[in-house]
This record gives sequence, structure tokens and C-alpha cells, in this order.
Amino acid sequence: EPEVTQTPSHQVTQMGQEVILRCVPISNHLYFYWYRQILGQKVEFLVSFYNNEISEKSEIFDDQFSVERPDGSNFTLKIRSTKLEDSAMYFCASAGALSSYEQYFGPGTRLTVT
Amino acid sequence: AQKVTQAQTEISVVEKEDVTLDCVYETRDTTYYLFWYKQPPSGELVFLIRRNSFDEQNEISGRYSWNFQKSTSSFNFTITASQVVDSAVYFCALRANAGKSTFGDGTTLTVKP
Repeated sequence: EPEVTQTPSHQVTQMGQEVILRCVPISNHLYFYWYRQILGQKVEFLVSFYNNEISEKSEIFDDQFSVERPDGSNFTLKIRSTKLEDSAMYFCASAGALSSYEQYFGPGTRLTVT
Repeated sequence: AQKVTQAQTEISVVEKEDVTLDCVYETRDTTYYLFWYKQPPSGELVFLIRRNSFDEQNEISGRYSWNFQKSTSSFNFTITASQVVDSAVYFCALRANAGKSTFGDGTTLTVKP
């Protein structure tokens, strides 16, 4: 069964450093998403991406964040200058065109900012 | 705006007890989808069920069952004869079409042997 993959599974970085989280969505999907989950809290929406542009973003997704689909397979989330409060689990998700309600989540990347 | 409320923060039961996790939602969309996910200690989100707003049939899958009531905007989840392996955080979520998912705060279920 096709699945969303994310790398790395765990990233440790120092405050102020740039970090790129990578996701490979399911191959024929057209809608892409990033979510964040601070430890012990709920899963929060960050951004959705369709047709090579951001379709919706939350107030969390400020200028420190950016997303990109650099080629036909990867979908990345960049945090320009990480802060301690960026420590969280980041989930990527994708959805297809014909069954756009089916949102598939990746296993997550745990980001630790020290 | 969408909102999902899981009023139960933590539930603790003894193995073999039945347990119901509550979920109440708010949305202005007429077409939407409701989901339940299980999050074990390893952290991944495990999809359990999806329901669309036009289908109010209840569903049973093994020890799991779901009760969708549009009149009360509720989508409750029952585990029958709970097992220790059911211990996890359970999230209810709401989504309209290709938009974002809105999650509840989660319910931490602990099943004691």
C-alpha cells in the first residue's frame, strides 16, 4: 500500500540554525500539508499546498517557515532560524484529486531544538 | 471556523471494560469528514476510521465501533473489551473537502491489566 514517508525521523538542531524537513507524498497525490504537534498537545495545522502554491496557512506559519516542492516527488518544510519552541513532531500529509478527503499522514519527524 | 472538542482528557479503565471516547464538532460546511486516529507512544498517527457527513450509519470493526449523530454533532468511539494494547492517545478530527484537518485535544486512554 502506498504511504507517505518523512526524513529524518529525528532531527536535533541548535537554536538559530536552519532546518529542512523532507516528505515524499504518495505519488499521484496533488494536495500536501504540514502539521505540528508539540509534545503532549494536539496536532495543529501549519500549511496546505496545491498546484505549486500555498492554499492555506495558519497563524503559526510565519515568515520563519517556508514550503517547497522542488521536484516531482519531494515536499519540504524549511524553518529558517529555529527557536526552542519549534521543538515538536512535524507531520506531512497528502491527499489525492479523486479522493481528496483521504488524507494520508507520514510517520512524522521529531525536531528537537537545543 | 471548525472546532473539535474531546472533553475527556484522560480515561483509565481495567482490561476487558468497555470504554467510550467522546467527540463533538462544529462546522459550517455541509460536506465534511470525521476521523479518529490512534497515537501510540511511538508517535505516529494511526488512521482508524473516516465518516462523511452524509453517512450516519454506525460502524463496527472488531472491538471498535463508532456512533455518528449529526443532530448532536457527535462522533463517539467505543472500544469493547479493552486491552492493554489499546492504551494510547486518541484524536478525533474534522475535515472539509481538500482543506485542513482540525484535531481535538486528544484523549489519553490507559488500560490497566
